[in-house]
Amino acid sequence: EPEVTQTPSHQVTQMGQEVILRCVPISNHLYFYWYRQILGQKVEFLVSFYNNEISEKSEIFDDQFSVERPDGSNFTLKIRSTKLEDSAMYFCASSSGLASLYEQYFGPGTRLTVT
Amino acid sequence: RKEVEQDPGPFNVPEGATVAFNCTYSNSASQSFFWYRQDCRKEPKLLMSVYSSGNEDGRFTAQLNRASQYISLLIRDSKLSDSATYLCVVTNQAGTALIFGKGTTLSVSS
Repeated sequence: EPEVTQTPSHQVTQMGQEVILRCVPISNHLYFYWYRQILGQKVEFLVSFYNNEISEKSEIFDDQFSVERPDGSNFTLKIRSTKLEDSAMYFCASSSGLASLYEQYFGPGTRLTVT
Repeated sequence: RKEVEQDPGPFNVPEGATVAFNCTYSNSASQSFFWYRQDCRKEPKLLMSVYSSGNEDGRFTAQLNRASQYISLLIRDSKLSDSATYLCVVTNQAGTALIFGKGTTLSVSS
């Protein structure tokens, strides 16, 4: 069964450093998403991406965050200057159509720890 | 008002019990509704979509009341393997993002 993969599974970084989280969505999917979940909190939407551009972003997704699909398979989330409060599990997801109509498949997540 | 609110839980039930979870959402323009399941430190996985007519998948029954902006999930004959956190999820108005509730934890014991 096709699945979304994410690397690394755990990333530890120092405050102020840049991090790039990587995702390989399911190959025939067209919509890509990033969500985050702070420990003990709810899953929060960050950004959705379609046709090589951002289609929606939340208030959390400020100018410290960026997304890119550098080639035909990877989808990345970059945090330019990490803060302690960026520590969370980051989930990538993909779907073959709009979230309202098509199931989103989530990757296993990258646990980001900012020290 | 929070976008998606759920019973705080936890629910601790014996095997074979029937358990019901409730959820309310604030945006009347939400288009689609789901229950996801999340195991500890794992990714959310779709359990079932929720329709106004109500829908059933084996031991699981979901119901949506758009007028009350209320969603429910009923689990019959609980199994040990049902122990997880159940997330009530709605889409935003544009249908481009999922909005999650905080989840309700279910623990089924033998």
